[in-house]
Amino acid sequence: SAVISQKPSRDICQRGTSLTIQCQVDSQVTMMFWYRQQPGQSLTLIATANQGSEATYESGFVIDKFPISRPNLTFSTLTVSNMSPEDSSIYLCSVMGGDAPYEQYFGPGTRLTVT
Amino acid sequence: EDKVVQSPLSLVVHEGDTVTLNCSYEVTNFRSLLWYKQEKKAPTFLFMLTSSGIEKKSGRLSSILDKKELFSILNITATQTGDSAVYLCATSNTGNQFYFGTGTSLTVIP
Repeated sequence: SAVISQKPSRDICQRGTSLTIQCQVDSQVTMMFWYRQQPGQSLTLIATANQGSEATYESGFVIDKFPISRPNLTFSTLTVSNMSPEDSSIYLCSVMGGDAPYEQYFGPGTRLTVT
Repeated sequence: EDKVVQSPLSLVVHEGDTVTLNCSYEVTNFRSLLWYKQEKKAPTFLFMLTSSGIEKKSGRLSSILDKKELFSILNITATQTGDSAVYLCATSNTGNQFYFGTGTSLTVIP
């Protein structure tokens, strides 16, 4: 399976600011996803990060709020913009492809608290 | 509408017990069913199942899929306190869309 790292692992941010989360994979993967998991909830897909083109967002998520980049097959960033306390959540990067094309693996996650 | 339903929502057992977690699904163009263990932040991959009736096994954990009845079970034998976690079930379709259940929270008491 791919080894995935995320930075930062946690952060406490003030309302109105933005945070960029980085996701790095140790091998080239076909697909990269960004999820959010709010307290006591299951995972919610934010978007699929597409290499070299705009991300594909799920209903309820927009590019202005969650801009995503994916400059190559091993790296992606998610920015949480103009944060509010409702954005407090765990943000997870996941990947699919490579040696196990249909298995999805998750990064260690970023715990974000907005005050 | 595609969905994944897990039961029970939570479970408390004593060390050494055997538990069975359930996952039922309705997914168009089904490809696979996946089980994850989530302890702190990130879900850890356990199994991916694509064929009916073939058991996947890893140590004390095993899982099987029934594509006719549209469900899967995850069995954990001789439970240990380290098995305490949320177990997530997810399905994927041929369009690479994943659907996650809300999870079963397992607590193993010494």
